[in-house]
Amino acid sequence: RKEVEQDPGPFNVPEGATVAFNCTYSNSASQSFFWYRQDCRKEPKLLMSVYSSGNEDGRFTAQLNRASQYISLLIRDSKLSDSATYLCVVNSGGSYIPTFGRGTSLIVHP
Amino acid sequence: GAVVSQHPSRVICKSGTSVKIECRSLDFQATTMFWYRQFPKKSLMLMATSNEGSKATYEQGVEKDKFLINHASLTLSTLTVTSAHPEDSSFYICSANRFGRGEAFYEQYFGPGTRLTVT
Repeated sequence: RKEVEQDPGPFNVPEGATVAFNCTYSNSASQSFFWYRQDCRKEPKLLMSVYSSGNEDGRFTAQLNRASQYISLLIRDSKLSDSATYLCVVNSGGSYIPTFGRGTSLIVHP
Repeated sequence: GAVVSQHPSRVICKSGTSVKIECRSLDFQATTMFWYRQFPKKSLMLMATSNEGSKATYEQGVEKDKFLINHASLTLSTLTVTSAHPEDSSFYICSANRFGRGEAFYEQYFGPGTRLTVT
C-alpha cells in the first residue's frame, strides 16, 4: 500500500461547481499535512496547510480526519484557473522528509 | 510566502558534459533542501535530501557519484549532473524546508525548476 494515495482523476467539472478531493495516508504517526497545486511544466506551490481544526482560505477548505487517516480539499465556485494538479503532502512524525501523493488532476471547463 | 530561486531555468548541454544547478532560499535559512526530478506527466521523484554542512542522503537507485550535491550554506544547495546523458533530460526541482505555523511543523517551498535537455 502506498504511503499517500490520491485518485489521479481527472476530475472534469463546469465552472461554478464544487469539487472535493480526498487523500489517504498510511502512517498514523503523520503530523503535518499540506495541499500543493502544480500547473503543467511548473513547480508545485503551497496551497494550504491542513490543521486538525480544518483550514479555510476563500473558496478552498481543507479538512483532516485522523481517525480515518485522510485529508480533503474542497473547492467551491470553481474557476477555469483552478485547473491544475493538486498534490497531497504528508510529513510523518520524526521525519521532515515529505511524502507526496501522485496528484489529482482537475479540469474546469466553461 | 517564502521564496526559493533556482538557476538556470533551462539548460541544453551535450552528452558527456556536466551541469550545475543552484537552489537558493532567498528570505529564510534552510538547513534542509530537497532535490526532485519529474518526467512529463509523472509524479515528483525525490532524488536526495541535502543537509547543510553534511553529506546528502540519496534515495535508493540514485547514483551519488552522478548527481553531486553540495549544501555549503544555509541558503544554497547545488546539484551537479556529471557526465550527462540524454536519459538525464528531465525537470529538476529543488525545495527548501521552512518552519511552519502551528501544526504545520515544516512547510516546503519549491524553486521554479530547471529543465535540462541533454543532446
